[in-house]
Amino acid sequence: DGGITQSPKYLFRKEGQNVTLSCEQNLNHDAMYWYRQDPGQGLRLIYYSQIVNDFQKGDIAEGYSVSREKKESFPLTVTSAQKNPTAFYLCASSGGGLAGAQETQYFGPGTRLLVL
Amino acid sequence: AQSVTQPDIHITVSEGASLELRCNYSYGATPYLFWYVQSPGQGLQLLLKYFSGDTLVQGIKGFEAEFKRSQSSFNLRKPSVHWSDAAEYFCAVGNQAGTALIFGKGTTLSVSS
Repeated sequence: DGGITQSPKYLFRKEGQNVTLSCEQNLNHDAMYWYRQDPGQGLRLIYYSQIVNDFQKGDIAEGYSVSREKKESFPLTVTSAQKNPTAFYLCASSGGGLAGAQETQYFGPGTRLLVL
Repeated sequence: AQSVTQPDIHITVSEGASLELRCNYSYGATPYLFWYVQSPGQGLQLLLKYFSGDTLVQGIKGFEAEFKRSQSSFNLRKPSVHWSDAAEYFCAVGNQAGTALIFGKGTTLSVSS
């Protein structure tokens, strides 16, 4: 089955700790995205990557970092600089030559990050 | 700046009744428009999308949406709601740079029996 997997489903972070959220896709998509979802706020874009070894900041990139070393993987690190990390994090991917606006984004099941 | 507005935060509809969820966008050119649905604690699933052509778009699960350029709207409709339709619904528009989607804040649908 083709799709997007995110792990873990729940993640707990201690004060001052960096944590990494995993996102893997086997859809052979070029573009991948990370969104943060807070109640009543909709989805806000953290980072996106249109191709391997390239990524761009979204609207709320501060306190987060990403890498895109492989086409199928786009991990997100929540650093200690992110002072309010409690949220639901969604990874998405889209295929084709042009990312984003014209391509349908497919979403993973999400990771809920909680602060201890 | 581009934006998407979903005016209704929460809507309750009786099972079997019709549904309309509102979405307004701000965008200068022809927009790429999407509706997604999210069940609690889950990812988002695409219901339908509009890129061009016929302004009435059919989607999955019996949903449809109509693009009205004059009103900058892309409202989602369903003629008869089922209890399983209870979820959160998001409208989104492709951004001007062609790199990502801009989402509305969502409308939570409750279905009463």
